[in-house]
Amino acid sequence: DQQVKQNSPSLSVQEGRISILNCDYTNSMFDYFLWYKKYPAEGPTFLISISSIKDKNEDGRFTVFLNKSAKHLSLHIVPSQPGDSAVYFCAASWNNFNKFYFGSGTKLNVKP
Amino acid sequence: GAVVSQHPSWVICKSGTSVKIECRSLDFQATTMFWYRQFPKQSLMLMATSNEGSKATYEQGVEKDKFLINHASLTLSTLTVTSAHPEDSSFYICSARLNTRDTGELFFGEGSRLTVL
Repeated sequence: DQQVKQNSPSLSVQEGRISILNCDYTNSMFDYFLWYKKYPAEGPTFLISISSIKDKNEDGRFTVFLNKSAKHLSLHIVPSQPGDSAVYFCAASWNNFNKFYFGSGTKLNVKP
Repeated sequence: GAVVSQHPSWVICKSGTSVKIECRSLDFQATTMFWYRQFPKQSLMLMATSNEGSKATYEQGVEKDKFLINHASLTLSTLTVTSAHPEDSSFYICSARLNTRDTGELFFGEGSRLTVL
């Protein structure tokens, strides 16, 4: 049973436009959410996170939104750049980071 | 940021043999490391939580006798795939969390691709 889901396996966006990546979760106990970026043949790298006490966290071009009632979070990248092309995973944690659960990833392609 | 190194990055073995994958935190101490497995086009599946000095905690459905985890020091955790079979072929990734940071951020190794012939 997958507790964190990314229903879009891929997304293609024009350079300069906004990229919106979505993530849904089922476990209401999750209280911390993270986004990771992964290039081929490399381990994921941390991008941005949000605690369940917030509904928005911004870091430069990256903003994560959390809608607890809908059990949904999204990552916005504005403006998108070709270097952003990668696979993005959302992850969720609870119980003081004892476990992390990942979505299946969304492959973002930013076209020049 | 913190560095986690995984070795080997790619290993090919014959069916029935055992393979050990190492995960090291290079510039920090990690009392807890996590082992994940990734199937093609699927999510990172948490296999087990490795705790320094104690037994690993395995997720439901993961055979502890098949996937032996040892976390003998604060900087090293190992995953041994015993009596490997072709269905064990996968991408295995370890991660560690900085104990001093209250962000929950995980640092990942580069991953190890296992191919069992």
